[in-house]
Amino acid sequence: RKEVEQDPGPFNVPEGATVAFNCTYSNSASQSFFWYRQDCRKEPKLLMSVYSSGNEDGRFTAQLNRASQYISLLIRDSKLSDSATYLCVVNIPGGSYIPTFGRGTSLIVHP
Amino acid sequence: DTAVSQTPKYLVTQMGNDKSIKCEQNLGHDTMYWYKQDSKKFLKIMFSYNNKELIINETVPNRFSPKSPDKAHLNLHINSLELGDSAVYFCASSQDRWNQPQHFGDGTRLSIL
Repeated sequence: RKEVEQDPGPFNVPEGATVAFNCTYSNSASQSFFWYRQDCRKEPKLLMSVYSSGNEDGRFTAQLNRASQYISLLIRDSKLSDSATYLCVVNIPGGSYIPTFGRGTSLIVHP
Repeated sequence: DTAVSQTPKYLVTQMGNDKSIKCEQNLGHDTMYWYKQDSKKFLKIMFSYNNKELIINETVPNRFSPKSPDKAHLNLHINSLELGDSAVYFCASSQDRWNQPQHFGDGTRLSIL
């Protein structure tokens, strides 16, 4: 089982739709969870950290479910500019915390 | 001001050559990283340094040697380049080695002929 797994998609949604992605992780001792966004041929950019109680930033909501070992990202009222690859990152304990990326979920928002 | 900057942006070279990529961050962060993103877009950590000390070394071939002269700089030297080394290499930094998010440079696109 991969350490961090994401559905690669693509998720193809119309403008204004609500879309949700999940990311599962295998190590129950994992600490610190993040969502990044990566546009084509660009670097990953931090979208938001994921806190235990869940957190929201505008149209974006992140949640953590430790019992089932997954994090989620909900995007409301999708915009064309939300089209990108969304990467989850889980810090997995080792000698240090090892930031481990999922393979990413591709989102395409169409008019 | 660019927070994490890498040079060069593009690197095209022949198999067997040796090349270096440089990274600098002006964020005052303690921890720096090198990642490789292959043609399938999978982003894999290679190395991490915390205050010039190597803390993560993820089964990378010995041909890859990182060097951190100070906590603001992390360079990557690659010997005897192979076709499979073709990828985008990203440098990143974070405030500390524990629970902080990372800030990425804009990548170095390495192509081996």
